[in-house]
Amino acid sequence: SQQGEEDPQALSIQEGENATMNCSYKTSINNLQWYRQNSGRGLVHLILIRSNEREKHSGRLRVTLDTSKKSSSLLITASRAADTASYFCATSYSGGYNKLIFGAGTRLAVHP
Amino acid sequence: EPEVTQTPSHQVTQMGQEVILRCVPISNHLYFYWYRQILGQKVEFLVSFYNNEISEKSEIFDDQFSVERPDGSNFTLKIRSTKLEDSAMYFCASGRQDSGGSGNTIYFGEGSWLTVV
Repeated sequence: SQQGEEDPQALSIQEGENATMNCSYKTSINNLQWYRQNSGRGLVHLILIRSNEREKHSGRLRVTLDTSKKSSSLLITASRAADTASYFCATSYSGGYNKLIFGAGTRLAVHP
Repeated sequence: EPEVTQTPSHQVTQMGQEVILRCVPISNHLYFYWYRQILGQKVEFLVSFYNNEISEKSEIFDDQFSVERPDGSNFTLKIRSTKLEDSAMYFCASGRQDSGGSGNTIYFGEGSWLTVV
């Protein structure tokens, strides 16, 4: 299985703190994408990082990729209550028609 | 910003009935997908569609499921005879042509909640 697995499963922090979520996968990938899902809603794309990239930034988000360890991390800096959601990593591998394999997700709760 | 749109947002159906979920992918995209998420579980791949045919499907996508792109804009998922365990959120997604071999962003719709009773 090529599934990505996130840890922690759940994370509870105070507003203003940073949140770090990790993702591991098993096989070689083309890219890894992070998504956010508010309860009962759709998947919102956050960042795509390609296999030849090591770090990407988007606003308060920072994603790293370590292909030697087959792992990625998503850092949300200066978190806000509105960041409360589930965060998923999804991996895409060569020959998979860009099919994404999702991990189980991290439930982030940011308290005011 | 272009988006993937799905209808209906919620459907309740009797077991054994046929259901069609509809999607309008982003207009210049060429890869189309259906995923599902059973309540509280992870998002699971069902099927990918490229060049007017199924390019890949999962074990979940059995003979009860079919997909169609009946015209240039719609992409549908049909479940022929629904079962209780088909209750889930179904997501449509689309992506552009992969020009560099490293894949492109896949955009998801808001989902269609299917409840089978």
